Amino acid sequence: QQQVRQSPQSLTVWEGETAILNCSYEDSTFDYFPWYRLFPGESPALLIAIRPVSNKKEDGRFTIFFNKREKKLSLHITDSQPGDSATYFCAASGDTGYQNFYFGKGTSLTVIP
Amino acid sequence: GPKVLQIPSHQIIDMGQMVTLNCDPVSNHLYFYWYKQILGQQMEFLVNFYNGKVMEKSKLFKDQFSVERPDGSYFTLKIQPTALEDSAVYFCASSLAKGDTEVFFGKGTRLTVV
Repeated sequence: QQQVRQSPQSLTVWEGETAILNCSYEDSTFDYFPWYRLFPGESPALLIAIRPVSNKKEDGRFTIFFNKREKKLSLHITDSQPGDSATYFCAASGDTGYQNFYFGKGTSLTVIP
Repeated sequence: GPKVLQIPSHQIIDMGQMVTLNCDPVSNHLYFYWYKQILGQQMEFLVNFYNGKVMEKSKLFKDQFSVERPDGSYFTLKIQPTALEDSAVYFCASSLAKGDTEVFFGKGTRLTVV
């Protein structure tokens, strides 16, 4: 059973629009949710992360909205730029303290100038 | 920023042979991880490693797998013997501590077992 699911699989937006990437999870004991961004030929890199004590985390143009009751979260990218074109992975880890992540399959975002 | 280096980027090996995947983690990091990504699937946790020991491993970490980091050198994943289903991209990662500290990933090694 896939623990973390992402939708859509791919997303295309125009420059300046807000891109919304969705994520849901199965295990209610998950307590840390990072989003990683992957550019072609590079390593996945941490973009932003949230813990369930918060329902929102903001960092510049990137905002995570978190709904613990529904076990859903979303990443909003406002004023999308062509340089935001990448694959975005939602991940989750439990309360062991180790960063053993369950990853989603990713959302491929394309921002058209 | 800090980088995790994985060597080689691509390796082809005959089924049944041994393969060692090498990872050069961020220099002052203490926690090390391997993940496996089969084509078209999500990245999946294999194992974590701290203070010379495996701390946790998943069901994917078969008996044919082993990890070590002798004398602070490369963090390695060894598969002996390899099987066709071991074909995947293997990502190494490292972090300075547990908890909320950032985990840094390498670019992955694509292993093809033929």
